[in-house]
Amino acid sequence: GAGVSQSPRYKVAKRGQDVALRCDPISGHVSLFWYQQALGQGPEFLTYFQNEAQLDKSGLPSDRFFAERPEGSVSTLKIQRTQQEDSAVYLCASSQQGQGRKLFFGSGTQLSVL
Amino acid sequence: SQQGEEDPQALSIQEGENATMNCSYKTSINNLQWYRQNSGRGLVHLILIRSNEREKHSGRLRVTLDTSKKSSSLLITASRAADTASYFCATEAYSGNTPLVFGKGTRLSVIA
Repeated sequence: GAGVSQSPRYKVAKRGQDVALRCDPISGHVSLFWYQQALGQGPEFLTYFQNEAQLDKSGLPSDRFFAERPEGSVSTLKIQRTQQEDSAVYLCASSQQGQGRKLFFGSGTQLSVL
Repeated sequence: SQQGEEDPQALSIQEGENATMNCSYKTSINNLQWYRQNSGRGLVHLILIRSNEREKHSGRLRVTLDTSKKSSSLLITASRAADTASYFCATEAYSGNTPLVFGKGTRLSVIA
């Protein structure tokens, strides 16, 4: 596609509800990243895929967070039993492989947990 | 955790003036990148400078890198109201499979 696409754009969840956030990267991009951005802060790394392999999930804040990219293209970030502290913008980015890569970001999903 | 620390946190200037933002980081890097984020949008890549480079230009942007001081600066010349955004530095470590680590950003307001 023309760019990285994320859906939904906005999500309001009740505390305890499960949510699923979708990312459609740029076609042919091998690497896919999820970041969490709190209001007024920079993006914080969550997890990274190279093709379908999840190479780094060190940034996931708890075992309630789970990400997958089963066919090496679309990725889903799932948050179980959402808490108020999960409220943030979740950004997805993709890039070509290799060092010196620049990231192409989607517009993000703004999650509000009430 | 965030490696980069941008300075200042917020900057307000008049249209036509130059804007300078600084970034400090903690560990050795392969390259440093600057991104821009308009309110409610994703980040957009501006410029990348490698660890063996000291200065790079792209249009009205000038980036410097001092690896001995672990710092970088972004200069926007002849600013425009459309430059109003948040600017983030991001560092990539040497190992290659590590993610970009972003700073907290500088919020730039350019007043027409």
